[in-house]
Amino acid sequence: KAGVTQTPRYLIKTRGQQVTLSCSPISGHRSVSWYQQTPGQGLQFLFEYFSETQRNKGNFPGRFSGRQFSNSRSEMNVSTLELGDSALYLCASSSGAGGLSYNEQFFGPGTRLTVL
Amino acid sequence: AQKITQTQPGMFVQEKEAVTLDCTYDTSDPSYGLFWYKQPSSGEMIFLIYQGSYDQQNATEGRYSLNFQKARKSANLVISASQLGDSAMYFCAMREGGAGANSKLTFGKGITLSVRP
Repeated sequence: KAGVTQTPRYLIKTRGQQVTLSCSPISGHRSVSWYQQTPGQGLQFLFEYFSETQRNKGNFPGRFSGRQFSNSRSEMNVSTLELGDSALYLCASSSGAGGLSYNEQFFGPGTRLTVL
Repeated sequence: AQKITQTQPGMFVQEKEAVTLDCTYDTSDPSYGLFWYKQPSSGEMIFLIYQGSYDQQNATEGRYSLNFQKARKSANLVISASQLGDSAMYFCAMREGGAGANSKLTFGKGITLSVRP
């Protein structure tokens, strides 16, 4: 089974631009979550998509948005980039299944975004 | 209050020895899951072990075991027979609510582990 893939792996943008990151989950997984990792704030949850619907959202400004397609692939978009948006963006895929059962989350390699 | 607390500074361990990485958590939800991830310098988050709040036994996965003390709200990771490749950042994380409610993980600040030859 192929793992979680994220593209691009590295990205350099300038302030004010916008960026779109992509995440392809493990085949059969319907949940995709996005996280931002910075040295100062650590790992912070951005949002989760399950079956094309946003199921949960973290405390980030509206410049951060996402969507999920029918094949479970997900994109996140950041508009009007700021220097503080420089971070490693990780996505995680899981089955999102119900019940009190084991719910492993597999992470992709991340996209390292640098805003100049 | 922080939901996941990892207070140890950088940890050092001699190769082939065991090491314990501490994690305490805070939740009022009776249903939750606890995860440990390893993040090498490459940046990828590697899943190590999972413990559900209703699990009766401590989780084990190869050289990794989780010392789950529910009353103390602690979920310490034990790595036995440390290897040089274990040098990395280790994160404890929690998902609240039953699986399926959501997949949001709350992470601790992480602990840097260095294995000495």
